[in-house]
Amino acid sequence: GEDVEQSLFLSVREGDSSVINCTYTDSSSTYLYWYKQEPGAGLQLLTYIFSNMDMKQDQRLTVLLNKKDKHLSLRIADTQTGDSAIYFCAPRAAGNKLTFGGGTRVLVKP
Amino acid sequence: GAVVSQHPSRVICKSGTSVKIECRSLDFQATTMFWYRQFPKKSLMLMATSNEGSKATYEQGVEKDKFLINHASLTLSTLTVTSAHPEDSSFYICSAASGQNSYEQYFGPGTRLTVT
Repeated sequence: GEDVEQSLFLSVREGDSSVINCTYTDSSSTYLYWYKQEPGAGLQLLTYIFSNMDMKQDQRLTVLLNKKDKHLSLRIADTQTGDSAIYFCAPRAAGNKLTFGGGTRVLVKP
Repeated sequence: GAVVSQHPSRVICKSGTSVKIECRSLDFQATTMFWYRQFPKKSLMLMATSNEGSKATYEQGVEKDKFLINHASLTLSTLTVTSAHPEDSSFYICSAASGQNSYEQYFGPGTRLTVT
């Protein structure tokens, strides 16, 4: 099955950019998603990229996809304290099934 | 946007009892619903996929007789944890999609189950 890896923790200063990285194994993944989870809450879809795209920008969020290396990243520009959360990478396989990475905990320091 | 609710948000039950968790799509018809389990500080693990009107498809290692899933309508799916044990304590999250090819899954807020 799909294996999705993320780094565990990222600390960033308010106003700086954050980059969260993700690697996956299933090259047939069609859509690749980024979700945000705040403490004790469900998941909020942040953005996604289709597998035939290299980059997608959505306001402060930029997603880069290197399909050859099976590497996905999420860049958050001008990181704010409200961006502190856990971020999950989730490639989608057949049948709309998502496989989640372990999550990256982002801590934004003032 | 699409909203998915879960009820209850928190539940504490005694070992050996059963508990039902509801997942509702409030403003769209969910032909497919997914149930996930999340351990503390861990990722989400897909437990099962349910399509309206048919039996759920369980992931490997998930006991279908212990985790009963019913998707009787296009807006409601239920997960019943039968004969709960302390090791079933977890955060259960559902998601809903409007079709098998729908590119978005909308997640509920989760249900924290504690079995004492």
